[in-house]
Amino acid sequence: GQNIDQPTEMTATEGAIVQINCTYQTSGFNGLFWYQQHAGEAPTFLSYNVLDGLEEKGRFSSFLSRSKGYSYLLLKELQMKDSASYLCAVRDDDYKLSFGAGTTVTVRA
Amino acid sequence: EAGVTQFPSHSVIEKGQTVTLRCDPISGHDNLYWYRRVMGKEIKFLLHFVKESKQDESGMPNNRFLAERTGGTYSTLKVQPAELEDSGVYFCASSQETSGSLYNEQFFGPGTRLTVL
Repeated sequence: GQNIDQPTEMTATEGAIVQINCTYQTSGFNGLFWYQQHAGEAPTFLSYNVLDGLEEKGRFSSFLSRSKGYSYLLLKELQMKDSASYLCAVRDDDYKLSFGAGTTVTVRA
Repeated sequence: EAGVTQFPSHSVIEKGQTVTLRCDPISGHDNLYWYRRVMGKEIKFLLHFVKESKQDESGMPNNRFLAERTGGTYSTLKVQPAELEDSGVYFCASSQETSGSLYNEQFFGPGTRLTVL
């Protein structure tokens, strides 16, 4: 089976940095995705890691360690609009995604 | 370019009734996926189409759920008869073939919120 864990909630101040951790145990691995989802909207793609290391895209970075079954999403220079749910998802060998329950990030002024 | 669209956005039905959800993927995307999120739980995979063929339907909960993708364009997901535990948000996603995208990421629709009373 698939087991993907991430914290339920995180709160941070505008302009700060937040790191959302994700650990996974899955039967197959063909990449790890991070999606952002605002309430009532579609999950939108943020980042993708398939090799170990750090991928940086503007204010967002994502890290992967396959040997440890671990990833994190780093959000820098937090803005109010970054308040959302962040979903960690592992793609298996057959291309379907297994999701964590999501981390709700609240950015305070 | 239009994204993945889903219809309806909300549906409220009574137990025992039938509901049909529709998904229009991004034009040219051969891969179409259905997922579901029930209250308080994670998004879970239901099934995967490649064009009009069912590639993987291992996540379908039971035979009350029927998905089709005639012609390989839009897809429907029918629940008949609906039960209380079918309530949740049903997401559709689509992606290009592997060779067409660096990440082959799945693009999600906004979901259909289904409430069974």
